[in-house]
Amino acid sequence: GAGVSQSPRYKVAKRGQDVALRCDPISGHVSLFWYQQALGQGPEFLTYFQNEAQLDKSGLPSDRFFAERPEGSVSTLKIQRTQQEDSAVYLCASSLDGKYGYTFGSGTRLTVV
Amino acid sequence: GIQVEQSPPDLILQEGANSTLRCNFSDSVNNLQWFHQNPWGQLINLFYIPSGTKQNGRLSATTVATERYSLLYISSSQTTDSGVYFCAPSGSNYQLIWGAGTKLIIKP
Repeated sequence: GAGVSQSPRYKVAKRGQDVALRCDPISGHVSLFWYQQALGQGPEFLTYFQNEAQLDKSGLPSDRFFAERPEGSVSTLKIQRTQQEDSAVYLCASSLDGKYGYTFGSGTRLTVV
Repeated sequence: GIQVEQSPPDLILQEGANSTLRCNFSDSVNNLQWFHQNPWGQLINLFYIPSGTKQNGRLSATTVATERYSLLYISSSQTTDSGVYFCAPSGSNYQLIWGAGTKLIIKP
């Protein structure tokens, strides 16, 4: 597609519920990144894929967070047993090769109540 | 790791004014990008500028890698320029290191 598409745009989850956030990167972009952005702060790195390989997951805050990109295109970020501190905007970005300009999606705003 | 410092943290200007935003970084970098996050949260890549100067319309950016800083210039500001401007360098790997941003408000 023309841009990076993320869905849903907004998600309200009850504490303890599992959620799945989807990212559809720009066609042909090898690199895909997930970031978490708390209110009033800059994005924080979560994980990085090169094609279907997850090369870095060092930013995932706990083992409740899991990301996959099975066919090297669409990626899903899953959060199990959500907690209030998971409330944030989750941003996905893709890049042709991970070195040059990144294109970000509009993000998914997750609110855990 | 690389530390990033952006200044000023907040800037309020009248429409039509010019501004300079600064980004200092603590170590040599392979890549540096400037982003604008609009009031609706969308992050837009403005420049990929590890060194040198680039211009795009009313915006230009200069990175002096040897002195570890980058500048973003906005001329003839418009209300649509409002938002947060982030500087995000990266070192030998792909991870962007984000500054705290400069929050810019342009008043009509």
